[in-house]
Amino acid sequence: RKEVEQDPGPFNVPEGATVAFNCTYSNSASQSFFWYRQDCRKEPKLLMSVYSSGNEDGRFTAQLNRASQYISLLIRDSKLSDSATYLCVVSHTGTASKLTFGTGTRLQVTL
Amino acid sequence: SQTIHQWPATLVQPVGSPLSLECTVEGTSNPNLYWYRQAAGRGLQLLFYSVGIGQISSEVPQNLSASRPQDRQFILSSKKLLLSDSGFYLCACVVHTQYFGPGTRLTVL
Repeated sequence: RKEVEQDPGPFNVPEGATVAFNCTYSNSASQSFFWYRQDCRKEPKLLMSVYSSGNEDGRFTAQLNRASQYISLLIRDSKLSDSATYLCVVSHTGTASKLTFGTGTRLQVTL
Repeated sequence: SQTIHQWPATLVQPVGSPLSLECTVEGTSNPNLYWYRQAAGRGLQLLFYSVGIGQISSEVPQNLSASRPQDRQFILSSKKLLLSDSGFYLCACVVHTQYFGPGTRLTVL
């Protein structure tokens, strides 16, 4: 079983739609959680950290359920520029030092 | 803020040839540095990390090696490339979270 599992997609949604991605992790000792965005043939870039209480950054909302070992990312009012692969990332150490990446969920936003 | 440089950006090498990829970091001192590989359609795999000059930890047994001759320089090497070494190689450093360089796309033929 992979440490971090994501639905690879692709998720094809029209502009303006709301889309949600889910991720599960297997190590209950995981302490830090992140969502990264990766554009085609580019390096991953941090989108947002995920906190236990849930957190929001503009159109993006991240949620963490430790009991179910489940992380989610919600994107509201999708833009064409949101098209990318979204990587779910966990750390066992409580810092960003040792990260485990999911294989990513691909999002394609269309007109 | 930190900036990570990697070169070359792309590389095509024959099987059995040597490899040297370089990563340098600006804007921070004594960073933790990482080498990842991303094979086509697969997730990022951590290859090596370093917490200081001359200190290298290997995450997976493989055909590659890493060195850190200076505080902000991290080098990935191989004496003889295999076809399976093809992939997107990313250098990263930690400043509160992990930041990645632009990557080197390696094709072994």
